[in-house]
Amino acid sequence: GQSLEQPSEVTAVEGAIVQINCTYQTSGFYGLSWYQQHDGGAPTFLSYNGLDGLEETGRFSSFLSRSDSYGYLLLQELQMKDSASYFCASDNYGQNFVFGPGTRLSVLP
Amino acid sequence: DVKVTQSSRYLVKRTGEKVFLECVQDMDHENMFWYRQDPGLGLRLIYFSYDVKMKEKGDIPEGYSVSREKKERFSLILESASTNQTSMYLCASSFGGGSGNTIYFGEGSWLTVV
Repeated sequence: GQSLEQPSEVTAVEGAIVQINCTYQTSGFYGLSWYQQHDGGAPTFLSYNGLDGLEETGRFSSFLSRSDSYGYLLLQELQMKDSASYFCASDNYGQNFVFGPGTRLSVLP
Repeated sequence: DVKVTQSSRYLVKRTGEKVFLECVQDMDHENMFWYRQDPGLGLRLIYFSYDVKMKEKGDIPEGYSVSREKKERFSLILESASTNQTSMYLCASSFGGGSGNTIYFGEGSWLTVV
C-alpha cells in the first residue's frame, strides 16, 4: 500500500518563502508529483520528481530524496494568489496515483 | 488544451437512488480515474482504468462501480446512494505507462445525498 503525510496548514506572508513537506510510505514508488488546488477548483499539476534532487519551475521548486522517503515543495516570492491547497502524490509507474491529505497554504498581506 | 469534462457539477439525490456520474476526456488518454475528495482526507482513489473495459479498485471502492465502454468515457455508478457518499467527486485522466505522467482533472461533481 501507499500513504503520504503532509502538514495540514501553513501560513506565510507575501514575498516570503515557504516549504511544504511530504513523507511517504509506498511500494512500487516511481516518483512524486505536486498539485495545486484553489477553493472550488480542480487540482492542477505543478511539478514532478522522478529522480533525487531539485526541480525548478519558476517560483516553484520541488525536491525528492528516495533514501529518506521525503520530498518538499518550495514556493518563493509568495503572492496572494498562491493561497490554495497543495497535494503531493506518489506515482506507481503512471497507472495509480495516491495523494496526500493536502496542505492548506494561507498567504497574508 | 486537455479537457476532462464531468457531466454534472451539482447533484442532489435521495438515499437509495442509483446515481451515474459521467466523465469524458478529449486527449486519447489510456488511464482514467475517479477520486473522492473530503475535507481533511485529501483525494482518495475509488477506481481507475488503464484501458477500455478494464478497471482496478482503488482505496475505497465499496459502494461504487465503474464502466469504461469507450476510451474517452469513464462512468462512476453509485448503485444505492447513501448519505455517507455525500462528497465531491473528481474524474481525471493521464497517458498510460511510464512515470511522471501528468494527471488532468475535471472540475468536480458535488453530490449531496439526502
